[in-house]
Amino acid sequence: GQSLEQPSEVTAVEGAIVQMNCTYQTSGFYGLSWYQQHDGGAPTFLSYNALDGLEETGRFSSFLSRSDSYGYLLLQELQMKDSASYFCAVSSTDKLIFGTGTRLQVFP
Amino acid sequence: DAGITQSPRHKVTETGTPVTLRCHQTENHRYMYWYRQDPGHGLRLIHYSYGVKDTDKGEVSDGYSVSRSKTEDFLLTLESATSSQTSVYFCAIGGYGTFGSGTRLTVV
Repeated sequence: GQSLEQPSEVTAVEGAIVQMNCTYQTSGFYGLSWYQQHDGGAPTFLSYNALDGLEETGRFSSFLSRSDSYGYLLLQELQMKDSASYFCAVSSTDKLIFGTGTRLQVFP
Repeated sequence: DAGITQSPRHKVTETGTPVTLRCHQTENHRYMYWYRQDPGHGLRLIHYSYGVKDTDKGEVSDGYSVSRSKTEDFLLTLESATSSQTSVYFCAIGGYGTFGSGTRLTVV
C-alpha cells in the first residue's frame, strides 16, 4: 500500500522560516509534489521533486531524500497569506496519492 | 483553473438517488483523477484514469463508478447516494495534478 505522514499543524510568525515534513511509504515511486490549499479553495501545485536534493522557487523550497522516503517544504519570509493547508503527494504508477496535510497558521 | 472545469459546483440530493459529477478538461492530459476531501482525511483518491476507457480504483472506490469515453471528460457516478458521501469532490488532471474548483455535494 501507500501512505504519507504529515504533522497536522504548524504555527509561525510573519517573517520567519517554517519547514513542513512528509514521510512516505510507497511502491513505484516517481516523485514527491507539494500543494497549497486555502480554506474554501482548490489545491494548487507548488513544486515537484523527482531526484534527491533541493528545488527552489522564490520563497518556497522543496527537498527530497529518496533513500529516507522523506521530503520537506520550506517557506521563507512568511507572510499572512501563507496561512493555508499544505499537502505532499506521491506520484507512483498512474496514481497521485496525498497526505492528510499540514495546516500552517502565520501570526503577526 | 483554466483548462479544467467541474460541474455542478454545488448539489444537494436525497439518499438513494443517483448522482453524476462531471470533469471536463481542454489540456489533452492522459491522466485524470477524482478525489474526495473530508475534514481530517485530506484528499483521498476515489478513481483515476490513464486514458480513454482506462480506469482503475483508488483508496475509497466503494459506492462510486467512473467512465471516460473521451479524453476531455471524466465522469464520477454515485449509483445510490448515501449520507457518508457528503463531501467536497475534486477532479485533477495531469501528472502533477492541476485541480478543478470542486463540487460540494450534500446528501440528505
